[in-house]
Amino acid sequence: AQSVTQPDIHITVSEGASLELRCNYSYGATPYLFWYVQSPGQGLQLLLKYFSGDTLVQGIKGFEAEFKRSQSSFNLRKPSVHWSDAAEYFCAVGAEGSARQLTFGSGTQLTVLP
Amino acid sequence: KAGVTQTPRYLIKTRGQQVTLSCSPISGHRSVSWYQQTPGQGLQFLFEYFSETQRNKGNFPGRFSGRQFSNSRSEMNVSTLELGDSALYLCASSKRGTGGDTQYFGPGTRLTVL
Repeated sequence: AQSVTQPDIHITVSEGASLELRCNYSYGATPYLFWYVQSPGQGLQLLLKYFSGDTLVQGIKGFEAEFKRSQSSFNLRKPSVHWSDAAEYFCAVGAEGSARQLTFGSGTQLTVLP
Repeated sequence: KAGVTQTPRYLIKTRGQQVTLSCSPISGHRSVSWYQQTPGQGLQFLFEYFSETQRNKGNFPGRFSGRQFSNSRSEMNVSTLELGDSALYLCASSKRGTGGDTQYFGPGTRLTVL
């Protein structure tokens, strides 16, 4: 069965600083990978996804992620963080052949300092 | 285009009762999935429906059930509520329910069991 690890429970960065959130997955074949963001009391908003092709994917709000098969990683990056980016971020992997039965990581809570 | 809607947004029940949650997918979407989010277990897949048929089910007891109607709207039911069922229940819809079909999430229903 697939699994996702987000090793950082909580990250604090200053506004304007760069950001990298880590995600490692366990899956036998080429996975469907996702990053979602959740603000307090809200549902999940899709930031970006990787299905195949170019390993560097661009998403909304200036986020990007790089798929590295050799490291089983799909890290999320942003060059300059805004205060409005404070939220919880979830990495997810789809079940075999499906982008719908998702397995989520435990999430990384991002705090942005002024 | 309107997003995924879930009703009610908040619900308080007592142990032993049953509850029904509703989800209306994005117009034209035929696949609906349900997830449970708790502080202890994180985000967990409950089940997926497509064309009124359950296609996948997560590791949850039989007290959790669902159904989908011909207009793709879905309901999930939890019988004999337990304190541990307190959670945010998220519904997600996707268009075709195939391979790399991306899911879009609703705002969730917050269920509190007293």
